Amino acid sequence: DQQVKQNSPSLSVQEGRISILNCDYTNSMFDYFLWYKKYPAEGPTFLISISSIKDKNEDGRFTVFLNKSAKHLSLHIVPSQPGDSAVYFCAVHNTGNQFYFGTGTSLTVIP
Amino acid sequence: DAGITQSPRHKVTETGTPVTLRCHQTENHRYMYWYRQDPGHGLRLIHYSYGVKDTDKGEVSDGYSVSRSKTEDFLLTLESATSSQTSVYFCAISSTRNSNQPQHFGDGTRLSIL
Repeated sequence: DQQVKQNSPSLSVQEGRISILNCDYTNSMFDYFLWYKKYPAEGPTFLISISSIKDKNEDGRFTVFLNKSAKHLSLHIVPSQPGDSAVYFCAVHNTGNQFYFGTGTSLTVIP
Repeated sequence: DAGITQSPRHKVTETGTPVTLRCHQTENHRYMYWYRQDPGHGLRLIHYSYGVKDTDKGEVSDGYSVSRSKTEDFLLTLESATSSQTSVYFCAISSTRNSNQPQHFGDGTRLSIL
């Protein structure tokens, strides 16, 4: 069973606009949430994370929002740049020290 | 960038043959992981290691074995490859298993089993 779901396989956004990537999870016991970015032929790289005790974490153009009641995580990229075009994976950590990854969303930023 | 090297980067082999993938790190991290990435499934944990000779199963461990005889090397073996094991395999490392410590990934091995 999929513990983490990214329901949008792809997203296209105009350069300069906001990109919003979404992630839903099933288990309220997850304690940490992360976003990874992946370019073709490379491994995922860590982007930003948030603890379950917070509802927002910001790092430059990237902000992650956590809605625990809805079991929903989102990543906002503002402003979007062509170099942001990549596949984005959300990941969750459980108290058993395992990470579960979503299926990924392919973001295309159009110049 | 974290010093992680996966070899080979690409491999094509036949059903029933043994295959070994290697992950080499220069970071002296204690924890090492093997994931597979498949369409519609994201990344799934196969096995992980928490020290030399210490390994444990992940979510999709059937058909795979691992070994870690040195801190820097983590080997993934498919004893008798099947077509369902065609995938992209990623190795990852981390210094701790704390939730706030992200994993660092290698660039992957694309394995095709015909």
